Amino acid sequence: DTAVSQTPKYLVTQMGNDKSIKCEQNLGHDTMYWYKQDSKKFLKIMFSYNNKELIINETVPNRFSPKSPDKAHLNLHINSLELGDSAVYFCASSTGLAGGPGDEQFFGPGTRLTVL
Amino acid sequence: AQTVTQSQPEMSVQEAETVTLSCTYDTSENNYYLFWYKQPPSRQMILVIRQEAYKQQNATENRFSVNFQKAAKSFSLKISDSQLGDTAMYFCASSGYALNFGKGTSLLVTP
Repeated sequence: DTAVSQTPKYLVTQMGNDKSIKCEQNLGHDTMYWYKQDSKKFLKIMFSYNNKELIINETVPNRFSPKSPDKAHLNLHINSLELGDSAVYFCASSTGLAGGPGDEQFFGPGTRLTVL
Repeated sequence: AQTVTQSQPEMSVQEAETVTLSCTYDTSENNYYLFWYKQPPSRQMILVIRQEAYKQQNATENRFSVNFQKAAKSFSLKISDSQLGDTAMYFCASSGYALNFGKGTSLLVTP
């Protein structure tokens, strides 16, 4: 009965490869997010989707492409992986548009991506 | 743009003692929320406490309470009766279209 799940939890790959991280939430939330946590533990928003529509696209290389097939899923595809992409990627979800009343975000367990 | 500043990279407290983690923020929003999230070694992000900016009363959740000073844009977290399980990274965050996080404070609770 995991609320927000991510697969895989660990991903080790070579530079130049393409990889995907999947995220699913069973909370019935309308909004989903991807955050990146770097080696210094700093967390930064990458993308936000509301009902399958892109809301936020921070300054992220276009090698990163989120895809939301339905409002319960938000996957992250990364092309041509680089060393600097190594990080922990967190998926999260919330009831409505971020910043609205009661907008607690529920986080997945994170995916540790290591690019060699 | 919203910024959140946590000026204490690391802190240590003895079990059963009280510790306060500092956070300041800057926002142009009128209606916003402030949060403290905990990230233990398991890496899971866990909401500790939430404060609605238009509420003057400080939020409290069991051993966790905040000191919210809106004019000073300060939002500190007090942990009373610290327990070993409180050892974690603590992130202060403000709400906008997404959460804006501070750089975190690593808290170590020692026996």
